Amino acid sequence: DAKTTQPPSMDCAEGRAANLPCNHSTISGNEYVYWYRQIHSQGPQYIIHGLKNNETNEMASLIITEDRKSSTLILPHATLRDTAVYYCIVFFVGAGSYQLTFGKGTKLSVIP
Amino acid sequence: NAGVTQTPKFQVLKTGQSMTLQCAQDMNHEYMSWYRQDPGMGLRLIHYSVGAGITDQGEVPNGYNVSRSTTEDFPLRLLSAAPSQTSVYFCASSYYRQGQAFFGQGTRLTVV
Repeated sequence: DAKTTQPPSMDCAEGRAANLPCNHSTISGNEYVYWYRQIHSQGPQYIIHGLKNNETNEMASLIITEDRKSSTLILPHATLRDTAVYYCIVFFVGAGSYQLTFGKGTKLSVIP
Repeated sequence: NAGVTQTPKFQVLKTGQSMTLQCAQDMNHEYMSWYRQDPGMGLRLIHYSVGAGITDQGEVPNGYNVSRSTTEDFPLRLLSAAPSQTSVYFCASSYYRQGQAFFGQGTRLTVV
């Protein structure tokens, strides 16, 4: 299984863009990159996912490098409510794919 | 549309007691799963189901039973609670082969 590497913690000033990196150097061609976040021990919340193209939704943008070995989640204007643990997950979409494997993620602290 | 509902939110058990954690979803999702999260750790998969009548083990299944008699419900049973099962339990659901999962708010279980 492909694994991910994320920094354990990051700080971001309120109103600035938060850029959360993730390395997934062993990702295979049919595996997607998913991002979730968990706010203060609530249930994880889906943010965004992508295969190889950059993606944007109302919550965030996802930038995937051309070789797909790394990605960056961008929160364009971080607020205090974005303080959470962010998980980068590689997920195979196909037969036998059932498990979202959560690592320890990145604890993002948004500072006033 | 309530999403994924877990009950109870909090529970204290004595060692050796049994109980059932309830999980219900109203999105007609085929896939449901149970995770546990210990302090400072990511989520670990306990059991999952790809449809009514079909269940399988995840990463940490020992001490837990599940059944799936309907699409909506996926209860998790602790047969004989142990202190090592003190954790926060999350239920999740998604469409089959989809990485976008919806999580409940969790059940915080303490076994004394």
